[in-house]
Parts: sequence; C-alpha cells; structure tokens
Amino acid sequence: SQKIEQNSEALNIQEGKTATLTCNYTNYSPAYLQWYRQDPGRGPVFLLLIRENEKEKRKERLKVTFDTTLKQSLFHITASQPADSATYLCAPWDNYGQNFVFGPGTRLSVLP
Amino acid sequence: NAGVTQTPKFQVLKTGQSMTLQCAQDMNHEYMSWYRQDPGMGLRLIHYSVGAGITDQGEVPNGYNVSRSTTEDFPLRLLSAAPSQTSVYFCASSYSTGSNEKLFFGSGTQLSVL
Repeated sequence: SQKIEQNSEALNIQEGKTATLTCNYTNYSPAYLQWYRQDPGRGPVFLLLIRENEKEKRKERLKVTFDTTLKQSLFHITASQPADSATYLCAPWDNYGQNFVFGPGTRLSVLP
Repeated sequence: NAGVTQTPKFQVLKTGQSMTLQCAQDMNHEYMSWYRQDPGMGLRLIHYSVGAGITDQGEVPNGYNVSRSTTEDFPLRLLSAAPSQTSVYFCASSYSTGSNEKLFFGSGTQLSVL
C-alpha cells in the first residue's frame, strides 16, 4: 500500500540555521508534490508545488527538491525564524486516486 | 473574501447521534473535499466532489455521507456517530481537480464523540 513518511515527528533548530525536513514515499510514483504549513488550530496553507522534472524549486527562504529515484522530497528553510515554527506537511500526488495524499507532518520549532 | 468557511468549530456528540458539518466557499471553486486529521496519521480523504451534483469516495468514507447541490456548499453528514469518528475535520477546495491545483483549507471542526 502507499505510504508517506516524514523524517521525524518534531524537529528543533536554532534561529538563523537551515531547517531540513524530509518526505519519503513508497509504492507509487507521483508526478507532482506539494508542501503545506499548518499552525495550531488552523487549516493547512499551501507553500510550494514541485513537478517531477523540476528537481528544485525556490520561493524566498524556502527550497524544495524532488528526487524521483530516491522517492524523496526535501524541504529547506534557510535563515530560520521563530515565526517559521509550525507543522509542515508533504503531499505527493496520487495518480490512481487523482488526489494529493498527505504525510503525517513534521512539527518544527525554531528556538530564539 | 472569506475563502473556505466551516461550521461549527467545536462539537460534542453522543454515540449514535447524527449531525452535519457545514462547508462553504466563495471562490467559485469546482473541487471540494473533506479530510479528517488524527495524530500521527496525516490528513485522510473522506469524500470529494469535482462539481455540483458529483461526489465520490476517498480513502475513509464509511460512516459519512456528502452531497453537492450547489458549487458553494459541501456538507458532511455523520449518520450515527461513533467514538472512532472523534477527529478534526477539514474542508478544502480548489479551482479544479488536478495535480496542478493548490488546496485552500477551512479552519477545521473539532469533533468529539462520547
């Protein structure tokens, strides 16, 4: 069955450092993958979409990579700030079900 | 611009009771969906709709019904609530269905079934 794993349930880093979050998927081959941010008590908010042929995409301090051979996406936040503290969800596209399937999320805490 | 609006924000039910979770969007989106979010399990798709009059099942549809009579509204009905349905429910919409579309989420309904 399809499975999505995000590297750890929680990640603590120091302000100013680069945060790297990992999303691994098995038993399917998405052509697209999205990343969302979720704050406590709120719904997820879209951040980035990356296509399988893009390898890397950037938006301000955010960078996403997509390695279809490793079946993995990495999400980087450079020069992290306490305001970046949130849960980050990856969502690979399910070609069969024609929907995005969400991972369990990684809770990032940026410490001042 | 309200986006996706969900009501109520909190609800407590007794086992066997029924209720409807409301979802409305004002962005003229064709695609709407319902997810439930449980600790450690991510968002799981319950039902979705690609347009008025069209609905389909997602990953975990049992115990839930939906209908889509208008483009704006997509209510989720629990026919006979069970403790296993205790969860946070999110409604989401997008302009159309497809891998290129980003989802807009409501703020969620926290449901407890006793």
